[in-house]
Amino acid sequence: KAGVTQTPRYLIKTRGQQVTLSCSPISGHRSVSWYQQTPGQGLQFLFEYFSETQRNKGNFPGRFSGRQFSNSRSEMNVSTLELGDSALYLCASSLADGTSLSYEQYFGPGTRLTVT
Amino acid sequence: AQRVTQPEKLLSVFKGAPVELKCNYSYSGSPELFWYVQYSRQRLQLLLRHISRESIKGFTADLNKGETSFHLKKPFAQEEDSAMYYCALQPDFGNEKLTFGTGTRLTIIP
Repeated sequence: KAGVTQTPRYLIKTRGQQVTLSCSPISGHRSVSWYQQTPGQGLQFLFEYFSETQRNKGNFPGRFSGRQFSNSRSEMNVSTLELGDSALYLCASSLADGTSLSYEQYFGPGTRLTVT
Repeated sequence: AQRVTQPEKLLSVFKGAPVELKCNYSYSGSPELFWYVQYSRQRLQLLLRHISRESIKGFTADLNKGETSFHLKKPFAQEEDSAMYYCALQPDFGNEKLTFGTGTRLTIIP
């Protein structure tokens, strides 16, 4: 099976702009989660989507939003970019089919966002 | 709120020596605990999870509910174990939110 893919891999944006990141989960996985990784804060949970609905949300401002499509692919959007949004954004997918071993999360390579 | 603490940012161990990476957590319920690893230039990947009770690449981790710890251990370190290790907590099934520790960079000295 192909792994989780994320596009683009690298992105440079200017303060005030908006950005959209994309994530394609492993085939058959219904849950997609997003994380922000920075040297200062480490790995922080942004939100999780399951069957096109946001099921969990972390403590990030409303500028961070996402959505999931019927094929489980997910996008994450950040509006009015700030310098502090520079980070590696990771996407993870999981089966989430109700069995105890299905909740392992598989991570993508990440999108490196630089805000100047 | 849940919290995961990894007290060591950096850990250096000689090849062949035992390894222990510490992880403590705080959560009022019965969480699921994981260890994730990130090798150089590779993506974050699951190393092991508490519920599986497996030994992966020689690593084991025991959940101690009394001490709220989930330390990662390996009796004999190998050079290929050098990587970044993250302890993570999932509150319960059906809640995909993972809370990560800050990570420990393990370096195996040849």
